[in-house]
Amino acid sequence: DTAVSQTPKYLVTQMGNDKSIKCEQNLGHDTMYWYKQDSKKFLKIMFSYNNKELIINETVPNRFSPKSPDKAHLNLHINSLELGDSAVYFCASSHGLAGNNEQFFGPGTRLTVL
Amino acid sequence: AQSVSQHNHHVILSEAASLELGCNYSYGGTVNLFWYVQYPGQHLQLLLKYFSGDPLVKGIKGFEAEFIKSKFSFNLRKPSVQWSDTAEYFCAVNAGSNYQLIWGAGTKLIIKP
Repeated sequence: DTAVSQTPKYLVTQMGNDKSIKCEQNLGHDTMYWYKQDSKKFLKIMFSYNNKELIINETVPNRFSPKSPDKAHLNLHINSLELGDSAVYFCASSHGLAGNNEQFFGPGTRLTVL
Repeated sequence: AQSVSQHNHHVILSEAASLELGCNYSYGGTVNLFWYVQYPGQHLQLLLKYFSGDPLVKGIKGFEAEFIKSKFSFNLRKPSVQWSDTAEYFCAVNAGSNYQLIWGAGTKLIIKP
């Protein structure tokens, strides 16, 4: 009964490649997020979608492009991977955009760029 | 810029010891405050949250946190920890009309049996 799932869990790739991370939630939520967790463990919001519309787009290189085919999915595509993209990427979802709503997290995808 | 500070990056305690993890934020207006926990091999999950009312909030597994507005703090406490509390604990703040959560760097808690 996984609530928020991400695939793959681990991703090792070469610099310059293009890769995608998929996220799906079965909670019926209308808001989904992508976070990047850096080596110092800070979680930083990258994108937020509400009802398939982009709401938050933090200062993220345009090599990162989120795609939301429907409310249950928010995929992250990364072009021309760089060493600095190595991190753990977390997907999350919530019921609505309100700031006091609980966010439900996926297990994370550990991306290593060689 | 808004920020969240968790001053203790690693805490090691023995079972039955009392726990207090610090969390301070920098924002002067209305805030929503959260503690999330990540047990080994598991997802981040909500431990407790505060958005209004009684500043002392109780969460799952015997945890509580107190919002002290004058100190911009939301410290997490548990009177007697168990080995199963070994985990990473994250404080997060939602400030004002911004939809975003600002996160602390986390505190890794290790409980010695």
